[in-house]
Amino acid sequence: KAGVTQTPRYLIKTRGQQVTLSCSPISGHRSVSWYQQTPGQGLQFLFEYFSETQRNKGNFPGRFSGRQFSNSRSEMNVSTLELGDSALYLCASSLIHAEQFFGPGTRLTVL
Amino acid sequence: GQNIDQPTEMTATEGAIVQINCTYQTSGFNGLFWYQQHAGEAPTFLSYNVLDGLEEKGRFSSFLSRSKGYSYLLLKELQMKDSASYLCAVITGGGNKLTFGTGTQLKVEL
Repeated sequence: KAGVTQTPRYLIKTRGQQVTLSCSPISGHRSVSWYQQTPGQGLQFLFEYFSETQRNKGNFPGRFSGRQFSNSRSEMNVSTLELGDSALYLCASSLIHAEQFFGPGTRLTVL
Repeated sequence: GQNIDQPTEMTATEGAIVQINCTYQTSGFNGLFWYQQHAGEAPTFLSYNVLDGLEEKGRFSSFLSRSKGYSYLLLKELQMKDSASYLCAVITGGGNKLTFGTGTQLKVEL
């Protein structure tokens, strides 16, 4: 089985811009979760999508949004980028209450 | 709210045994995961505990006590490649939301 894939792997943006990140889950996995990882805050949950519906949401501002398509692929969007949004964004796919498989991540740098 | 605590750093010797502790205070507990993360890489799954007791998988074992809000990860016969960050995470609620601890950076020395 192919693993979780994320594109792009690296991204450089400037403050005020917006960005869209993509995640393709493992075949058959309908749950896709997004996490932000920074040295200071560690891994923090952004949101989870299941069958095209947002099922859980973390404590991030509304600038962070996401969606899931009928083939379970997911995208997350960050609008009006701030310097503090620089982080590794990880996507994970899973079945319910089971091991989450993480993708390699997208390294976002905001200048 | 959710609170998960684990030591920031630990150092151990190759061939030895090390125990990494994790304490948590959460609501709606549905299980506890341990992940390993090498620098610059994605987390990889090590273990999942939902019932009290010990789960053993090769050199790695994980223990859970739900009444005490406590778990540990035991690594035996340490190897240099075990140098990594070890993340404790609790799953809560009706979905797959994981709340992570800040991770324990383990350094294995000769």
